[in-house]
Amino acid sequence: NAGVTQTPKFQVLKTGQSMTLQCAQDMNHEYMSWYRQDPGMGLRLIHYSVGAGITDQGEVPNGYNVSRSTTEDFPLRLLSAAPSQTSVYFCASSYSIPGADSNSPLHFGNGTRLTVT
Amino acid sequence: DAKTTQPTSMDCAEGRAANLPCNHSTISGNEYVYWYRQIHSQGPQYIIHGLKNNETNEMASLIITEDRKSSTLILPHATLRDTAVYYCIVRPTGTASKLTFGTGTRLQVTL
Repeated sequence: NAGVTQTPKFQVLKTGQSMTLQCAQDMNHEYMSWYRQDPGMGLRLIHYSVGAGITDQGEVPNGYNVSRSTTEDFPLRLLSAAPSQTSVYFCASSYSIPGADSNSPLHFGNGTRLTVT
Repeated sequence: DAKTTQPTSMDCAEGRAANLPCNHSTISGNEYVYWYRQIHSQGPQYIIHGLKNNETNEMASLIITEDRKSSTLILPHATLRDTAVYYCIVRPTGTASKLTFGTGTRLQVTL
């Protein structure tokens, strides 16, 4: 098992450019989510998905889109990058839904470091 | 959501036990306590979780007070590789919900 795989590891964008951060998991996990991490802010939830075809917003969804067409993949799209989106982005998955009657831990990828100039 | 409070930072000598406290005084009866850690900019790593009983695994022990308003993560013999930020999280109520990470405790293990 590769676990949770994020690509690319590093990315530099100019303001206004668009891009997609990729996230894939091979553990057949239903739940997937995206976090961003900024210095002194901890991890903040952007979007999450409880299964293929279902997505919902987290704490900081503005400027980001997601879709979940398969169980394995959960890409995060930046439609028009802004310097405020400079951050480290983490994708995470778990077997079942956090908060439901289960206790599956989250598995994280190793992050994508994005700089917007 | 039940909020958690952790010290900003702690030090521990290598080989000694590291005891990391967490306050979660508004926890609900069916909410679990989870601990994760993040080593140097890697993705967070799951450590342990519990509901009301104390738990132990190969990484750590989790002690939850009887009233469940606080817990302590214990690394029994800390090593330099345990230097990391440790997050205490309470799984929120409701379905399909969102784990919220605070700023955690930065544990520095020293020689």
